[in-house]
This record gives sequence, C-alpha cells and structure tokens, in this order.
Amino acid sequence: EDKVVQSPLSLVVHEGDTVTLNCSYEVTNFRSLLWYKQEKKAPTFLFMLTSSGIEKKSGRLSSILDKKELFSILNITATQTGDSAIYLCAVGDGTSYGKLTFGQGTILTVHP
Amino acid sequence: NAGVTQTPKFRVLKTGQSMTLLCAQDMNHEYMYWYRQDPGMGLRLIHYSVGEGTTAKGEVPDGYNVSRLKKQNFLLGLESAAPSQTSVYFCASSYGLYQPQHFGDGTRLSIL
Repeated sequence: EDKVVQSPLSLVVHEGDTVTLNCSYEVTNFRSLLWYKQEKKAPTFLFMLTSSGIEKKSGRLSSILDKKELFSILNITATQTGDSAIYLCAVGDGTSYGKLTFGQGTILTVHP
Repeated sequence: NAGVTQTPKFRVLKTGQSMTLLCAQDMNHEYMYWYRQDPGMGLRLIHYSVGEGTTAKGEVPDGYNVSRLKKQNFLLGLESAAPSQTSVYFCASSYGLYQPQHFGDGTRLSIL
C-alpha cells in the first residue's frame, strides 16, 4: 500500500524564521511528488518534482527531492503571517489515472 | 478565471437523506476526481473519471456514486447519508495524466 508521511504535523514560528517541512514516501511506482498549500479552502499547487537533486524555487519557497532516500523537503525562508496554512505533500504513481496519495499535512502557524 | 467550482459550499443532512454534489470545471480538463478530507487523514480519493462518460472507484468509494455525462461536470451522489460521511469534499481536475491537479474550494457536509 502506498504511503506518504509528513513531519512535523504542526509547527509554530515567528515572522522571519526559516522552516523546513518533510515528506517521506513509499510508493510502488513513483512518478512525481507534489506540494500544495491549503489555506481556508482549496489546496493550491506549489511544486511538482520528478527528478532527484533539482531544486524548484518560487520566491521564498523551495523544494528538493531525493529519490534514493525517498523524501522531499519544502523550505520557506523569511516566513510571513500569510504563509500560515496546511502544507500537503502528494505522490503520484504510474497508474492509468494519475493517482495521488496524500500525506496528513503539516499545519504551519506564523506569528507576527 | 472560475477554474473548478463546487456547489453547494455547505450542507447539513439527516441520516438516510440523499444529495448530489456538483463539480464544474471550465479548463477543458479530461481527468476529474472526488476526494474527502478528514482530520489527520489527508485527502482520500473516492471516485475518479478519465474522460466524459467514464467513472471508476478510488480508495474509499463505498456509499458514493458518481456520473460524468458532460466533460465539464462531475457529480458525486450520496444515496443514503450516514454520519461517517461527515467530511469536507473536494473536487479536482487535471489536463493530462501526470499534470498537477487543480482543486475546487470544497463542500463542507455534515450528517446528523
């Protein structure tokens, strides 16, 4: 059975701090790893990673994948209160319908 | 830029009642998905569709039915609601098999 585990489950920081969110996985036929940010409503897409060692970056957010050790990290530098959200990690396998297996999510709270 | 639209946003049902959740996307996406999100369990796939007129079971299909009569719409039905179906339901769509999924804002459903 495919499995995605995120850590920590929750995190409280102050504005300006740097945070690292972790995602480890066990998937039979790995295709891709995706990060989403969920505020009050819809999860919104952040990154999709398919190759090891190549960092994806968008502003203060960056992510990297290690396919040998089966994990990914999401870094957020100089955090702001607007970064407060649930961060979801999902792994896609090679099925015929684009199956995604989601982790439980990490709840990030950024205090002013 | 409507994207993925879900209706209704909230609903309270009594045990045994039936209802249909509607998902509409205006991005001409082939693939559509229904998930439920429960605390501590991440997003779990209920049913999915790989194109107009097709549907298939996901991870947790029991108690739900779906239909995709038109490419842009994906309906999720509860024939006889049970308290265990109290959850937040998300619809998602994607352009291609291994493209990121885009989510609607969710429907919060309570079964009393």
